Amino acid sequence: EVVMTQSPATLSVSPGERATLSCRASQSISSNLGWYQQKPGQAPRLLIYLASTRATNIPARFSGSGSGTEFTLTISSLQSEDFAVYYCQQYNNWPLTFGGGTKVEIK
Amino acid sequence: EVQLVESGGGLVQPGGSLRLSCAASGFTFSTYPMCWVRQAPGMGLEWVSCLIGSGVDTYYADSVKGRFTISRDNSRNTLYLQMNSLRAEDTAVYYCAKREAAVGRSFDHWGQGTLVTVSS
Repeated sequence: EVVMTQSPATLSVSPGERATLSCRASQSISSNLGWYQQKPGQAPRLLIYLASTRATNIPARFSGSGSGTEFTLTISSLQSEDFAVYYCQQYNNWPLTFGGGTKVEIK
Repeated sequence: EVQLVESGGGLVQPGGSLRLSCAASGFTFSTYPMCWVRQAPGMGLEWVSCLIGSGVDTYYADSVKGRFTISRDNSRNTLYLQMNSLRAEDTAVYYCAKREAAVGRSFDHWGQGTLVTVSS
């Protein structure tokens, strides 16, 4: 099983600042990684697929990078609606696995 | 517009059974892989099961293998999850999700979820 490790668990950021979230895979997953955003009481929403491609209607302030085992989600200038929990997920191997999540909170 | 609507959740005793349904609309249901993902209260996301194609190819997390069965009825545009021998640790919101090759096999659409509570 590919273990996905996200860091930090919680990130405190002021509105307008940059946020950098990390995701590490226990073995190479090529670029087969997605990032999701989840707000309280809501279903997850796809932000990034194939490690670096923004999904439909996702603002340009969200960007993804990385391949192999190290991945990053960057939010260039945090807006109020971006405070949420973010999950990475690998789909290179079965079983599909998610990271434990990073909560982005208001500083 | 793609819509996924789960139903069938509720309170069940340990050892009991429940069948979840996910009604799909807005896309050609029969041609897409479909999956279930769950989230225990206050916890992260956990993949449960996927069904690829017409149903011959199924995949399960080790935590549910042998107890849960995923299936689909393409004539009703509906995905199912039959859950047997339920345990307290199966308590979670269960989401159905559409898997899309065009977005690298990520989950591009999710339902709103249905809560399953296993308790005596």
